[in-house]
Amino acid sequence: DAGVTQSPTHLIKTRGQQVTLRCSPISGHKSVSWYQQVLGQGPQFIFQYYEKEERGRGNFPDRFSARQFPNYSSELNVNALLLGDSALYLCASSSGTGVTGNTIYFGEGSWLTVV
Amino acid sequence: DAKTTQPPSMDCAEGRAANLPCNHSTISGNEYVYWYRQIHSQGPQYIIHGLKNNETNEMASLIITEDRKSSTLILPHATLRDTAVYYCMNAGGTSYGKLTFGQGTILTVHP
Repeated sequence: DAGVTQSPTHLIKTRGQQVTLRCSPISGHKSVSWYQQVLGQGPQFIFQYYEKEERGRGNFPDRFSARQFPNYSSELNVNALLLGDSALYLCASSSGTGVTGNTIYFGEGSWLTVV
Repeated sequence: DAKTTQPPSMDCAEGRAANLPCNHSTISGNEYVYWYRQIHSQGPQYIIHGLKNNETNEMASLIITEDRKSSTLILPHATLRDTAVYYCMNAGGTSYGKLTFGQGTILTVHP
């Protein structure tokens, strides 16, 4: 079975531009979460979606938005890119909403470089 | 946010057991203990999780103290491919799938 898949794997954007990152969860998983990992730090939680509804949001500005589609895939959008948005963006999927007892699996991430 | 404390780095000889400690001083009753690892430039890899009983799977063993304030991840026979950053976390309840990563422990397995 395929794991969590993300696209693109690498991309370069210019300051002020917008970017869309895509994620397909493991088959049967209804929950998708997004994380940002800046070089040298641990991943930071951005969003969680379950059944197409936002169920959790981290401390990120409104430039960050996401959505989940009927097939449970998800997109993360970042507007007005800043140099500080350069990071590895990770998508994770699990079967349920809460973490209790659920195993959360991560994709390999999308490397975003803002120049 | 749930916080954990881990040593910044540890070394282990190949073939020996690696014991990675974690303090979960703020863990609440409905939170699980989770361990992940991350090899450079890859996504975090799930290792194991547990509530209050010790757990074992094909990758590792998890020992949780009775008061649940600390845990130990045991890699029974470390290999060079186990060199990675290891993260422990407590999560669950109303956190809606949010994992709070700390700085982790850099485990280096040497020949």
